[in-house]
Formats: sequence, C-alpha cells, structure tokens
Amino acid sequence: SYEVTQPLSVSVALGQTARITCGGNNIGGKNVNWYQQKPGQAPVLVIYRDSKRPSGIPERFSGSNSGNTATLTISGAQAGDEADYYCQVWDSSFWVFGGGTKLTVL
Amino acid sequence: EVLLVQSEAEVKKPGESLRISCKGFGYRFTNYWIGWVRQMPGKGLEWMGIIYPGNSDTRYSPSFKGQVTISVDRSISTAYLQWSSLKASDTAVYYCARRDAGPWYHFDYWGQGTLVTVSS
Repeated sequence: SYEVTQPLSVSVALGQTARITCGGNNIGGKNVNWYQQKPGQAPVLVIYRDSKRPSGIPERFSGSNSGNTATLTISGAQAGDEADYYCQVWDSSFWVFGGGTKLTVL
Repeated sequence: EVLLVQSEAEVKKPGESLRISCKGFGYRFTNYWIGWVRQMPGKGLEWMGIIYPGNSDTRYSPSFKGQVTISVDRSISTAYLQWSSLKASDTAVYYCARRDAGPWYHFDYWGQGTLVTVSS
C-alpha cells in the first residue's frame, strides 16, 4: 500500500516562511491535498490538487508537488497558523493520510 | 451553506453495539461521496471507508474492513458508521467528510466529529 511521510514537527519564527513536506514514491504523479487541524477542531482543507486554495483560505498558504516530495508553504506565518497539518493522497481506490506535522510558530 | 452535522458523543462498554450518524445540509446529498475518518487520542487521521449515497456503493480501508459497517439513508440525508461489538481500542473521535465532486479525491467539508469512548 502507498505510504506518505511527514516530519513530526516544524518550527517557524513569527512572520517567516514555514515549509512542511510530504514524501512518497513518485508523489509528483499524484494529487496532494493538505488539511489544517487545530486542537479540538475538525480538519479544514487548505490546499487541494497540489496547489489550489479553497475559498476563504489566505493567500499565504500555497502548495507544490514534484518528484518524491510535496510541500505546503506558509508565507508570513502567523500565530493562528499553529496547528497540525496533514497531507493526503488517493491511491488505487484508497485515501491515504500522512502522519501529520505539528507546526509551532515561535 | 454546506454542513455535515454529526451525532453526539457516546460512552459505551466493550462488546456493545453502536451507530453514529452524519447528516448533510445545504447540498444534494446523493451526489457526493461521504467518507469516515478515525482519530485516536493524540494521533493522526486514518481513512476508514467511503460511501456514495446515490447508490450505496461502499469502499473500506483494509484496516477497517469487517470491523465497521458504513451505510446511508438517502431519505433523511444521513450516513452512518456502525459497530456490532465495540472494543476499548475503538475509543476515538470519528469524523465524516464530503468528497468533492468530480474526478478529485479531497474532502472539502467535514463534520464536527463524534467522540466515542469505550470503557468498562
């Protein structure tokens, strides 16, 4: 079965750029989606199909995907961006989530 | 406005049965797949399965096949996740989520989650 891997944690200084990666075998050939989950809340879709933003998601959230790595980039990170982030792909009729990355904004 | 509203938290004993629900509002319920996702305490998201309300076509993750049953009642725009015999390890928050329309595989709207606690 297909697996995707994320770093357990990423830290970023307030106002700087955070990058969260999602690794998988030739993941560049798949569509990658990203979800933000704050404590006690349901996940929220922040990026879909590699780089598209749903309405209401700030422009500072962007995504890219190539080769064996997809990346969620948060430009000008704010305190409110502190959360867990999950990547997700679809492979052979199954939905696969990464293990999640805890983003800390310092 | 699209909303998925889930049933309230449940406390059950091992061996008991349970059905939790997810009701869709603000869109044509039969046209969108509904998935279920488990989140164990302090852990990540796990996809359990998905159902198409239009014809009840259902797919399960290998990890959950035979452990739970996903169903739907189109007449009341509600999807269900059911256990016949709960275990302590079923303690988790369970989310339903709507798969976006078209040939895409992301979940665009999520329910608020249902906490299931299984304890003797």
